[in-house]
Amino acid sequence: GESVGLHLPTLSVQEGDNSIINCAYSNSASDYFIWYKQESGKGPQFIIDIRSNMDKRQGQRVTVLLNKTVKHLSLQIAATQPGDSAVYFCADTPTGTASKLTFGTGTRLQVTL
Amino acid sequence: SAVISQKPSRDICQRGTSLTIQCQVDSQVTMMFWYRQQPGQSLTLIATANQGSEATYESGFVIDKFPISRPNLTFSTLTVSNMSPEDSSIYLCSVRLVYETQYFGPGTRLLVL
Repeated sequence: GESVGLHLPTLSVQEGDNSIINCAYSNSASDYFIWYKQESGKGPQFIIDIRSNMDKRQGQRVTVLLNKTVKHLSLQIAATQPGDSAVYFCADTPTGTASKLTFGTGTRLQVTL
Repeated sequence: SAVISQKPSRDICQRGTSLTIQCQVDSQVTMMFWYRQQPGQSLTLIATANQGSEATYESGFVIDKFPISRPNLTFSTLTVSNMSPEDSSIYLCSVRLVYETQYFGPGTRLLVL
């Protein structure tokens, strides 16, 4: 079946730099996208979401960009901190699937000092 | 968001036995879900827990193996039956509050010997 995938399994960035985590989705019917952060030993934590009628949404230190033309989603983290070290998942819900989320494989973000 | 708790947080079980995992939410929610996260992998939806009726299972998951109850709008249980080492995973419940946003509990870490 169709799934949401990620380009890089591990991303290493230096503290203070900006991080960009990418995600490709294949289902053209997807209209809602979420980014989650999962720290070791914890459940996924909601970070930010975006609907398909938008191409950019900003939160606190995070920005999600959506390019529907190429079915690409990205999460930008500004001024990355050690506490940002975690696995990041993108997920999508296609229209009419009653909120069933399809998760990507995950990207591990390692912040170096 | 919502405060979601799960019991137990972790357990070690013998093969052939069953374990019931509880999920409690601090507010009434329309939709609750159960996910499995195998070691080092992404999340896979097991089923949607429906209040007052049978759960809706995803492909590859069956009621005999993963019976689910949802007696009210704040509580659900997932039972992992006749366990084998392949069932060693993190089991997560999630709830949908507004739109399609889902929030996750802390997870139950299960090891089957």
